[in-house]
Amino acid sequence: EADIYQTPRYLVIGTGKKITLECSQTMGHDKMYWYQQDPGMELHLIHYSYGVNSTEKGDLSSESTVSRIRTEHFPLTLESARPSHTSQYLCASSEFNDEKDTQYFGPGTRLTVL
Amino acid sequence: AQKITQTQPGMFVQEKEAVTLDCTYDTSDPSYGLFWYKQPSSGEMIFLIYQGSYDQQNATEGRYSLNFQKARKSANLVISASQLGDSAMYFCAMREGRNSGGGADGLTFGKGTHLIIQP
Repeated sequence: EADIYQTPRYLVIGTGKKITLECSQTMGHDKMYWYQQDPGMELHLIHYSYGVNSTEKGDLSSESTVSRIRTEHFPLTLESARPSHTSQYLCASSEFNDEKDTQYFGPGTRLTVL
Repeated sequence: AQKITQTQPGMFVQEKEAVTLDCTYDTSDPSYGLFWYKQPSSGEMIFLIYQGSYDQQNATEGRYSLNFQKARKSANLVISASQLGDSAMYFCAMREGRNSGGGADGLTFGKGTHLIIQP
């Protein structure tokens, strides 16, 4: 059973606001990921991290930024939200030494920017 | 070119019947992993089953099995004895380039199949 948490679950904000989506996991996983998913569509990787102080951009270009100061915490920040950022954001983690490298997902944050 | 192709946007299946969800993939990497996830309407992604490219046998997890045909590059998910609670989106995903040192690259997902189980 995966223990990965995301807050808030739902967020509705106005254009231009700065927001931070929180993601934390209690499994001690080294690797963490952020995916973006538009309604009814596939997930796209936007950021990932190998461990503390490691962050990399994913396949889909995103205006968001991430940080990894603690192993268990991988927040995503949008400095100035726009309607085009409206989407679901899913956080995941996996164990570095797991041969399968199975990613376990949090419940997601559904972001709506008005 | 699409790396993961799921050709069934939606499926209606009678309760208790078996269902097969199609997935084909495209990679030139000899080492890769294939995953199936279930996404209910609540939005979370639930891991169902994994198949490694070097696995000799098809993966099974309870009512889920993976029909892995490497030469055809297909990894179809089979759900036996479907239940109403199986109604959800199902995503096939691939991880490429696994080596002994590991890697943090993410998964590539297909567009999903919306499965509806009818009573």
